[in-house]
Amino acid sequence: DVKVTQSSRYLVKRTGEKVFLECVQDMDHENMFWYRQDPGLGLRLIYFSYDVKMKEKGDIPEGYSVSREKKERFSLILESASTNQTSMYLCASSPFIDTQYFGPGTRLTVL
Amino acid sequence: AQSVTQPDIHITVSEGASLELRCNYSYGATPYLFWYVQSPGQGLQLLLKYFSGDTLVQGIKGFEAEFKRSQSSFNLRKPSVHWSDAAEYFCAVGDVSGNTPLVFGKGTRLSVIA
Repeated sequence: DVKVTQSSRYLVKRTGEKVFLECVQDMDHENMFWYRQDPGLGLRLIYFSYDVKMKEKGDIPEGYSVSREKKERFSLILESASTNQTSMYLCASSPFIDTQYFGPGTRLTVL
Repeated sequence: AQSVTQPDIHITVSEGASLELRCNYSYGATPYLFWYVQSPGQGLQLLLKYFSGDTLVQGIKGFEAEFKRSQSSFNLRKPSVHWSDAAEYFCAVGDVSGNTPLVFGKGTRLSVIA
């Protein structure tokens, strides 16, 4: 079975802190994705990556950056957390042109 | 550009009743289509997918979906709903021509009453 793990299920941070969300997949997938999910807005794509050290902006990249130094790991970074970044963050991975597999999500609260 | 519309934000059905969740997509060619389910506080789990071939696809948990090209639809169905089916359901479309992310609908929340 494909396994996508996220470093934390729940996270509470203060405004202005630098926040790292980690995602690891164990299926050697080329593609990895970060979404945020908010009530009524569905899933919104933040960044994605096709390969190591590659990254592409999604629909809402502002305030976020990403890092993919190894194929299995894709990190989402909030350089200076703000209250409007309080959300559920979902990571996913996929092989080329195929099903995306999701992690359990990280619920981030920024105070 | 691809898009997905799930017209129903929230649906309530009685346990044992049949279910149909609607999904319409916009895409220039034959798309890849997916249905995912999300239980509260969890990630998304794949229910079923359509890539090609038989337009009626079977998934996990007794769900099925039918691809209708003429209607640009991929509706999800279940003949008899169980209380454990209460969740949020997302339809998604993929681009067969390249390496682009899936486009998701905004989801339909399903409530099941006794």
